[in-house]
Amino acid sequence: QKEVEQDPGPLSVPEGAIVSLNCTYSNSAFQYFMWYRQYSRKGPELLMYTYSSGNKEDGRFTAQVDKSSKYISLFIRDSQPSDSATYLCAMTNTGGFKTIFGAGTRLFVKA
Amino acid sequence: GAGVSQSPSNKVTEKGKDVELRCDPISGHTALYWYRQSLGQGLEFLIYFQGNSAPDKSGLPSDRFSAERTGGSVSTLTIQRTQQEDSAVYLCASSPDSKNEKLFFGSGTQLSVL
Repeated sequence: QKEVEQDPGPLSVPEGAIVSLNCTYSNSAFQYFMWYRQYSRKGPELLMYTYSSGNKEDGRFTAQVDKSSKYISLFIRDSQPSDSATYLCAMTNTGGFKTIFGAGTRLFVKA
Repeated sequence: GAGVSQSPSNKVTEKGKDVELRCDPISGHTALYWYRQSLGQGLEFLIYFQGNSAPDKSGLPSDRFSAERTGGSVSTLTIQRTQQEDSAVYLCASSPDSKNEKLFFGSGTQLSVL
């Protein structure tokens, strides 16, 4: 079993839809939870960063962490065609040097 | 430069040849990471440098893989006697310190082994 599980998709939605992306994990030591966005032929870029449980909002993006269920989510409101990319969840533990990534979910937002 | 720079952006090589991949991290970033991304797969951790030291090399897939970092800056990932299964995108990332919650990635080197 992988440490981090993420549905690879693809996920196709119409412009303006609310998108929900999710990951589950098995290592209870993880404390830092991140979402990276990766456009084609580019490296991942950090989108959201959350410490421990709770919600964090940044513009159209909301990250949620439920440590009791070992489940994290990223919500995108009013999705745009420019949001079309691969979204990777990632996590690490305090003092650790290895960030573990999910396989990434490929998202298509249709105009 | 403003970001992490990797070269070459693309590399095509024949099976059995050696290749060197280069990474220039963001100036002042002390931590440097190498990851590998295969088609449809997540990022596979290879190695981490804090300064010029690599505390853990266990992520390297085999003894054909090696990496070094000099002057606390540039890093080189070397793959000897390349195999077809080495074909992937090799990504380098840097971080301002050893707290690796925020990684800054380069665009990667697409390696194709024929």
